[in-house]
Order: sequence, then structure tokens, then C-alpha cells
Amino acid sequence: DVKVTQSSRYLVKRTGEKVFLECVQDMDHENMFWYRQDPGLGLRLIYFSYDVKMKEKGDIPEGYSVSREKKERFSLILESASTNQTSMYLCAMSTQAGTEAFFGQGTRLTVV
Amino acid sequence: AQSVSQHNHHVILSEAASLELGCNYSYGGTVNLFWYVQYPGQHLQLLLKYFSGDPLVKGIKGFEAEFIKSKFSFNLRKPSVQWSDTAEYFCAVNAENQGGKLIFGQGTELSVKP
Repeated sequence: DVKVTQSSRYLVKRTGEKVFLECVQDMDHENMFWYRQDPGLGLRLIYFSYDVKMKEKGDIPEGYSVSREKKERFSLILESASTNQTSMYLCAMSTQAGTEAFFGQGTRLTVV
Repeated sequence: AQSVSQHNHHVILSEAASLELGCNYSYGGTVNLFWYVQYPGQHLQLLLKYFSGDPLVKGIKGFEAEFIKSKFSFNLRKPSVQWSDTAEYFCAVNAENQGGKLIFGQGTELSVKP
């Protein structure tokens, strides 16, 4: 079974904290993605990475950064968490050809 | 920039009714098209996908979708819905030369009344 594992299901952080969301895949796929999911807005792409140390901004990168030091791990970083970053965060992976994406269970982040 | 639009935000149907969810995308080149489903409390799963060939694609659980290139559309259909189809449905697109970048629509919440 294909697995994308996100380190936490639920997180509560304070405004101004630095937050790390971790994602690990077990398929040796090149592409990895971070989305946030908000009601009525669907999934919006924050960042994606098509190889180790390679990254590209998605549609809403402001306030976020990413790290991909190893192929299987893709981290999303909130440099200084704010309440408007309260959301569900989804990690995904796909082959280079983009034939299918596999998703993690999501991390519900609440910033108070 | 690529975008995906789903016309219906919330659809309520009775069991055995037919379903059609609209999806339009904006990209002039070759695209791959997907429908994903998210059941309550679960992660997103692939329902079906279109890459090339027959524009009528059949997926899991009796779903199908038709790619109409001239209309930039990829509508999802099911002849007879069940209560267990209650979920949120997302249309997604990735375009050639985009390195697998997957863009999603806003989602459609489907509620099926028993």
C-alpha cells in the first residue's frame, strides 16, 4: 500500500511560533506537494518540489517555506504562525509524469 | 495561469437520483484530468482519471466522467447515487510540462438523503 505519512493529525500553536509540518513518502516518487484545504476554497497549492533541494512556489506561498533535504521527506514551515493560517494541511506525492497523486491524512492546524 | 472551476458548491440529492457535477478548466494545451473524493474523516482518494484515448472514463463505485475538449470540461456522473456517496468531490488538472503540478477546483459537497 502506498503511504504518505504526515507527522501530526492535530496541532495547536500560538501566534508567532515557528511551526514545522513533516511529510514522508514511501514510494521514491519525485514530486511532493503541500496544499491547504479550506471550506469553499478547495485545495490550494502552497509549494511543490520535483526533486531533492528543488522547490517551486504554488498559488499561496506567502508566510510559508519548505525544505526537501531527502527525497522521501518534504517539510512545510510556517516561519511565524498567524491565525489566518489555521487550516487543514495536506501533503501529496506523485510520479514525475503526474499520473496520480497520493495524499496523506492531513494535519489540522489551529493557531491561537 | 491554470485554473479549475467547479460550478456546484453543495448538491443535495435523494438516493437513486442521478448525479452530474460540473468541472471546467482553463489551459489550452494537453492536460491530464482527475476526480478525487474525500469521504468524511478520510484522506483524498482517486475516483478516476483521463490522460488520452476514449473521452468517456469509468472509475470506481460506478462513477464516470466525460472529457469534452471543445468545452474544456470534465464532468462527473453517476446514474444512481447512494447514501454512501456522501462526500466532497474535487476536480483536478495537471498540464503538460508542468512537472506534475496538480491544480484543484473548489470542491463540491454532495449530500445524499436516504
